[in-house]
Amino acid sequence: SQQGEEDPQALSIQEGENATMNCSYKTSINNLQWYRQNSGRGLVHLILIRSNEREKHSGRLRVTLDTSKKSSSLLITASRAADTASYFCATDAKRSGAGSYQLTFGKGTKLSVIP
Amino acid sequence: DAEITQSPRHKITETGRQVTLACHQTWNHNNMFWYRQDLGHGLRLIHYSYGVHDTNKGEVSDGYSVSRSNTEDLPLTLESAASSQTSVYFCASRDTDTQYFGPGTRLTVL
Repeated sequence: SQQGEEDPQALSIQEGENATMNCSYKTSINNLQWYRQNSGRGLVHLILIRSNEREKHSGRLRVTLDTSKKSSSLLITASRAADTASYFCATDAKRSGAGSYQLTFGKGTKLSVIP
Repeated sequence: DAEITQSPRHKITETGRQVTLACHQTWNHNNMFWYRQDLGHGLRLIHYSYGVHDTNKGEVSDGYSVSRSNTEDLPLTLESAASSQTSVYFCASRDTDTQYFGPGTRLTVL
């Protein structure tokens, strides 16, 4: 079952603009991660934010986490055509025993950056 | 450099045949996972392993099996391929937090 749900499903912007993608989830988490998938490729880890963190930056990426609302956002600033990809949030839910290291992925946001 | 590889990258098979997809990682990670990716469903977990001789069922395990005889490999077997198993399959391994994905295998069952 999907834990994270991304919004919007698809996003089209001009190069240079900022892109914001949102993720909502249902249960308590240890951390939330964002991954990128270029067409025909595997997923690549972008950034991780822990449940006790509210904001994190990595280059042009900014991630926020609001555990009270069970939501996260990924901001890509000054987008480039090379940022065109699908972006997935993945939640690392708090659990014990079997399944302790499972990530649950959302369905993704498809970002198109138009040159 | 450490990496995770999958083979074959593309496979066409017939209904009822047994198919094995290979996954090999050189990170020496204990945790390994198999997912399938379908339009409208995102990634769904098939099986996972936390170490040698350990295997566990995921969300969509029916019709699939895995075995873990060493740290590096987690082959995925479709016992009797069905058209509903046409999909893109991804293997992943994990250190403490981050998962590293293979390039995927596109499987078509005719």
